[in-house]
Amino acid sequence: ELKVEQNPLFLSMQEGKNYTIYCNYSTTSDRLYWYRQDPGKSLESLFVLLSNGAVKQEGRLMASLDTKARLSTLHITAAVHDLSATYFCAGDDKIIFGKGTRLHILP
Amino acid sequence: DAGVTQSPTHLIKTRGQHVTLRCSPISGHKSVSWYQQVLGQGPQFIFQYYEKEERGRGNFPDRFSARQFPNYSSELNVNALLLGDSALYLCASSLGWGQGETQYFGPGTRLLVL
Repeated sequence: ELKVEQNPLFLSMQEGKNYTIYCNYSTTSDRLYWYRQDPGKSLESLFVLLSNGAVKQEGRLMASLDTKARLSTLHITAAVHDLSATYFCAGDDKIIFGKGTRLHILP
Repeated sequence: DAGVTQSPTHLIKTRGQHVTLRCSPISGHKSVSWYQQVLGQGPQFIFQYYEKEERGRGNFPDRFSARQFPNYSSELNVNALLLGDSALYLCASSLGWGQGETQYFGPGTRLLVL
């Protein structure tokens, strides 16, 4: 069964800085998803990555997929406080989720 | 257009009871999935239905069951509730199944088992 590991699990960063969240998965997965969850809220879909080398960008967030390395990254550029949330990656048809990265951006 | 809706929003039950959670997908979406999210953890896949047929099942005991109706709404049933069933139950809908479609999540039902 697919296992998904994210790191770091907790991240506190300053506004204006860049950082990357890593998502490793254990077996072949045809697709990789990134979600955002605000405290007490449901999940918001950010990106769906469907093929090796796929790169998608929305605002200050950019996600990429390397199926050979079984690695996806979520890069945050010039972080702003509004990006504080928990970010999940997930893979496989059954959408197996990682434990999430709790991101806190300090003003 | 309305998003995914779930009812009830909150629920308190006691051990051994039964619970039914309901989900209405976005209009035109034919796939519904259910997830359990325990506090501080990522969501865990329970079931996926597409065109009223079960297409996937996660590692949950037989106390958990679900179905999808002709209008594509869905119910999740949990029998013989345990304290460990306390969680946020999320429903997600998508247009299709198995092609990497975006899943849209509902607000969830918070279940507390005492």
